[in-house]
Amino acid sequence: DVKVTQSSRYLVKRTGEKVFLECVQDMDHENMFWYRQDPGLGLRLIYFSYDVKMKEKGDIPEGYSVSREKKERFSLILESASTNQTSMYLCASSPQALYGYTFGSGTRLTVV
Amino acid sequence: AQSVTQLDSQVPVFEEAPVELRCNYSSSVSVYLFWYVQYPNQGLQLLLKYLSGSTLVESINGFEAEFNKSQTSFHLRKPSVHISDTAEYFCAVSGLRKNYKLSFGAGTTVTVRA
Repeated sequence: DVKVTQSSRYLVKRTGEKVFLECVQDMDHENMFWYRQDPGLGLRLIYFSYDVKMKEKGDIPEGYSVSREKKERFSLILESASTNQTSMYLCASSPQALYGYTFGSGTRLTVV
Repeated sequence: AQSVTQLDSQVPVFEEAPVELRCNYSSSVSVYLFWYVQYPNQGLQLLLKYLSGSTLVESINGFEAEFNKSQTSFHLRKPSVHISDTAEYFCAVSGLRKNYKLSFGAGTTVTVRA
């Protein structure tokens, strides 16, 4: 089975800190995605990447950036964490559209 | 671009009763459709998907969904639910091209009571 691993399950950071969320997949998928999940809002796409060193903005990119230096790793960066970025962050990967996504277990980030 | 509307945010249901979760999508092009399930404190898992062909698709744990192109719907049903079906369910849609992204609905929380 494809495995998508997110480095932290729970994270607590202070306002203004730079935060790195790491995601690694082990099946050579070209496509990787970062979503945030909030109650009543479902999953909203932050950034995605179709290939190494390529990135595209999703629906809510403000306050975030990403890095994809290697095919298996896709990092989400909160440049200066704010309380409104407290959320569940989900990473996913996929070879192509008809397979859907494989998700990681999520990182619950709390910014205080 | 595609979008998804899940018509029910909460669905309480008794054990062994049927359940239907409603999903409508909007798209100007052909689409793939998916249902994902999220059990408490876990990530999302693929439940079933519609790609083409038969409009009725089934999962291994008794769920089924029917693609209705004229009504742009992809409703999820189960004839008899178990306590273990308590979860949040997400409908999602994507285009067919190689570089794609999934658009998700807001989710439906199913709570099964004994």
